[in-house]
Amino acid sequence: EAGVTQFPSHSVIEKGQTVTLRCDPISGHDNLYWYRRVMGKEIKFLLHFVKESKQDESGMPNNRFLAERTGGTYSTLKVQPAELEDSGVYFCASSQDWRATYEQYFGPGTRLTVT
Amino acid sequence: RKEVEQDPGPFNVPEGATVAFNCTYSNSASQSFFWYRQDCRKEPKLLMSVYSSGNEDGRFTAQLNRASQYISLLIRDSKLSDSATYLCVVSPFSGGYNKLIFGAGTRLAVHP
Repeated sequence: EAGVTQFPSHSVIEKGQTVTLRCDPISGHDNLYWYRRVMGKEIKFLLHFVKESKQDESGMPNNRFLAERTGGTYSTLKVQPAELEDSGVYFCASSQDWRATYEQYFGPGTRLTVT
Repeated sequence: RKEVEQDPGPFNVPEGATVAFNCTYSNSASQSFFWYRQDCRKEPKLLMSVYSSGNEDGRFTAQLNRASQYISLLIRDSKLSDSATYLCVVSPFSGGYNKLIFGAGTRLAVHP
């Protein structure tokens, strides 16, 4: 069974540009999460989808970030316009159920560098 | 104050050593507790869940003390392959949904 996949693996963009990250969860996983790790800091929660609905977006840093999950399958995270402090590794995770007893499986991450 | 605090290390130990990591969390309403492992430039992977009664998985033992809001991980007979960053992770009560709160991680380096 394929794991969580993310695209691209790396992205280097200039400040002010737009970048869209994609996450494909494990097939059948209704729950999809976005997290990010900025340099020297801990991994932080961004948001949680249940199917196509945003269940919790309390971790989204500001309105330059837009996450979507049309059709409840893959998800995209758009950063527009990108700022230097957005650099970091963006992880996507999926789980079969929202409860804590169900493991969240992480993708390999997208390393974003804003110059 | 950070929600989950860990000693960043690094812990440099020889093969065969026993090493212990500790972690504290600030939200007393936290419901679920985990240790994740992260290899360099890789994604975090669940190592084990942590239960109030304590639990063991091979060479790994995890303990939870809710009164002190303290979590520990003990690794016995360290292997070279145990070298990684160990992340203490807590899931708070937030309407029942399972967002994960990560510590910054403790780095372990096992040498021959």
